[in-house]
Amino acid sequence: AQSVTQLGSHVSVSEGALVLLRCNYSSSVPPYLFWYVQYPNQGLQLLLKYTTGATLVKGINGFEAEFKKSETSFHLTKPSAHMSDAAEYFCAVSETSGSRLTFGEGTQLTVNP
Amino acid sequence: NAGVTQTPKFQVLKTGQSMTLQCAQDMNHEYMSWYRQDPGMGLRLIHYSVGAGITDQGEVPNGYNVSRSTTEDFPLRLLSAAPSQTSVYFCASTPFRGGQSPLHFGNGTRLTVT
Repeated sequence: AQSVTQLGSHVSVSEGALVLLRCNYSSSVPPYLFWYVQYPNQGLQLLLKYTTGATLVKGINGFEAEFKKSETSFHLTKPSAHMSDAAEYFCAVSETSGSRLTFGEGTQLTVNP
Repeated sequence: NAGVTQTPKFQVLKTGQSMTLQCAQDMNHEYMSWYRQDPGMGLRLIHYSVGAGITDQGEVPNGYNVSRSTTEDFPLRLLSAAPSQTSVYFCASTPFRGGQSPLHFGNGTRLTVT
């Protein structure tokens, strides 16, 4: 069975500071990995995904994530936080055999002026 | 292009009442699913469908029924609402059965059961 753990349910950064949101997964087969963002009162939007190939993945709004198989991690980073980045972020994993996505618990990002 | 449309946006039910949450997509996606979102628990899969006429249970299916008579629609039925079903419900779809295609989400239905 697959599972996802997001370290830190709340992360607070200053505007312009580095954003680092942590995600670790477990999967019995090579996984597909995703980061989604949820703004208040909205559904989830895809930020980026890793399927195969390059392990450093770039997404929208300046975010990127690196797949590290040896560490079973897929941490999300952004060099410089913007106020508009305040949202909840979800890491998710699916196995290559199907579309069942397993989500982490979510990390609420606050950006302080 | 409307994407994934969920109705209603908000609903209040009394314990024991039944209702149907509607979900429709206009992208001709094979795969559709229902999740519930609860604080600190992320999103949990309730039911999913890989095509018209085919449905299966997810992680938390008890108390919910689904059907898939058309490619476009995937309604979620609460048979006898309970306070534990107070949650935000999201419908999502994707074009392929393989795991690499991201999900497209609706904007959610916020359900309160009193």
